[in-house]
Amino acid sequence: DAKTTQPTSMDCAEGRAANLPCNHSTISGNEYVYWYRQIHSQGPQYIIHGLKNNETNEMASLIITEDRKSSTLILPHATLRDTAVYYCIVRVGSGAGGTSYGKLTFGQGTILTVHP
Amino acid sequence: DSGVTQTPKHLITATGQRVTLRCSPRSGDLSVYWYQQSLDQGLQFLIQYYNGEERAKGNILERFSAQQFPDLHSELNLSSLELGDSALYFCASSVGVFTEAFFGQGTRLTVV
Repeated sequence: DAKTTQPTSMDCAEGRAANLPCNHSTISGNEYVYWYRQIHSQGPQYIIHGLKNNETNEMASLIITEDRKSSTLILPHATLRDTAVYYCIVRVGSGAGGTSYGKLTFGQGTILTVHP
Repeated sequence: DSGVTQTPKHLITATGQRVTLRCSPRSGDLSVYWYQQSLDQGLQFLIQYYNGEERAKGNILERFSAQQFPDLHSELNLSSLELGDSALYFCASSVGVFTEAFFGQGTRLTVV
């Protein structure tokens, strides 16, 4: 699986958009970008994923650059409850095999702190 | 609530003992994953099953084993426990092998 690079920490004011960047310059054509977050010691929560088109759901938007070497997760109106560790993960897609078959490899993530 | 149920929520046991952690996946999910999260390490992938068969393996210790049963629930067995095995153990499930996975709230294991 391709490696990802994220900033260690970021701050955001409540009510403002939080833009979390992720670099994945070695991503392969069949690899998806996934975002999860973990609030304190709770189980990681799925946010969104995409291959090459921008994606939006009720939680967030995912913007993937045209060359797919980087992406940005956008929380449009951050709240205090969005304070968490955010993980950007590159994961092999369907049709692949081998030992990386479907697994999600978590890095250190970005600690997002939303301030009042 | 992700729909993934893990039991027990907390477990305290002594070194050398054996424990079993249980995971019930979301209804309709065929794939189950196990992860370990200790204080000094991030989320470490242990193993993945799909419809009863092992599909991917991480750095799972030989003292640990897992299986997925015909009813799709999964168990993670940890034996000859050491202090360093104290951690949060998470289970996740997904419909397929490559679809988004949803995590349970974890089992906190403390080895004393």
